[in-house]
Amino acid sequence: SQTIHQWPATLVQPVGSPLSLECTVEGTSNPNLYWYRQAAGRGLQLLFYSVGIGQISSEVPQNLSASRPQDRQFILSSKKLLLSDSGFYLCAWSVMLAGGRGKTQYFGPGTRLLVL
Amino acid sequence: AQSVTQLDSHVSVSEGTPVLLRCNYSSSYSPSLFWYVQHPNKGLQLLLKYTSAATLVKGINGFEAEFKKSETSFHLTKPSAHMSDAAEYFCVVSDQGGGADGLTFGKGTHLIIQP
Repeated sequence: SQTIHQWPATLVQPVGSPLSLECTVEGTSNPNLYWYRQAAGRGLQLLFYSVGIGQISSEVPQNLSASRPQDRQFILSSKKLLLSDSGFYLCAWSVMLAGGRGKTQYFGPGTRLLVL
Repeated sequence: AQSVTQLDSHVSVSEGTPVLLRCNYSSSYSPSLFWYVQHPNKGLQLLLKYTSAATLVKGINGFEAEFKKSETSFHLTKPSAHMSDAAEYFCVVSDQGGGADGLTFGKGTHLIIQP
């Protein structure tokens, strides 16, 4: 069966420091991978998605970046964190549904980031 | 284009009473629809999904949802609420013509269970 891991679970970082969050998926090949951010009391905001190694699409301009160095590894980074980067970061992977009916997504446990 | 509207940002029910979380969608194609649940500081867990088979879909933890094409709705129900059902619930639509990633999330409904 497929599993998705994220680490760290919780992170407290000062403003201006770098960031690296990691996500790995097991039990599937060539998944679509996603990074979402969830600010306090708000819905999900898609940050990046990837359809393959080295292929990254950015949905929202910001000081974050993403990379996919391996098929089942997705990394979210920043060179200098802002206070507004605080939030709950979720990684997800998806599988296509039969008949062109879209995708099903499966989420990791999330990383709580607090920027002070 | 696709969109999803969760009609209530907060729903409060008493333990043991029925739960109804409302979701309306729009889609230019034949969509798939999902409900996810998120407990505090946890990831999203898939509750159930509709992908073109039976219109009444049963999920985990006693939840079910009915796809009504004529009403463009996919409401989530449970006959008897339990304290552990208190969480955030997201309705999601996906079709072949969806946004960059093919999925659109609702803004969420916060379910409160009163003892």
